[in-house]
Amino acid sequence: QVQLVESGGGVVQPGRSLRLSCAASGFTFSTYGMHWVRQAPGKGLEWVAVIWYDGAKKYYADSVKGRFTISRDNSKNTLYLQMNSLRAEDTAVYYCARVRFCSSTNCYGYLENWGQGTLVTVSS
Amino acid sequence: EIVLTQSPGTLSLSPGERATLSCRASQSVSSNYLAWYQQKPGQAPRLLIYGVSNRATGIPNRFSGSGSGTDFTLTISRLEPEDFAVYYCQQYDGSLTFGGGTKVEIK
Repeated sequence: QVQLVESGGGVVQPGRSLRLSCAASGFTFSTYGMHWVRQAPGKGLEWVAVIWYDGAKKYYADSVKGRFTISRDNSKNTLYLQMNSLRAEDTAVYYCARVRFCSSTNCYGYLENWGQGTLVTVSS
Repeated sequence: EIVLTQSPGTLSLSPGERATLSCRASQSVSSNYLAWYQQKPGQAPRLLIYGVSNRATGIPNRFSGSGSGTDFTLTISRLEPEDFAVYYCQQYDGSLTFGGGTKVEIK
């Protein structure tokens, strides 16, 4: 069955960096687009970034553009989120999610599978 | 960017009652690119409905979705104890945004 397992969260000081990973199994990772979605404590869901199945295209929410980088290694079935210049408002649970359909032109779809999330706390 | 507004913020109902949740978009969502998710405390969101009205795999038929254009509804015909949770709508019409959520709590 489809499994997505995030890791890499923790407590980090403002201005520092952190890299999250999402290990995928149970499906052909290289044929699916992937998203990161976050949820601040007690708040709703916020889309963060998307990467096409082949890594050819990447898009970001304005709130993280220029600071976060989404990437993937299809040989390792792993998705990444490199987070630089972290701020207190980046504190959240970060989920990776598999999008149902991803064509060469559109990778925005419904999120069929989610990981359990990893908590990132930005605090001095 | 399409902004989604969910109402009410909280719905207080008893088991067995009918729940009607609303999701309104700031502009028309084309091709019915609208989904609903359920989230329980400490858990990841779970896909319930996609394409406005299609139930995801394993979702009971007491959950149904309807609507078009800018107004969408999630209906739970008879609330079961496990249905008390937070529900989010999401549009995927060229971008991806979520509504603010509706909490369905036990009255």
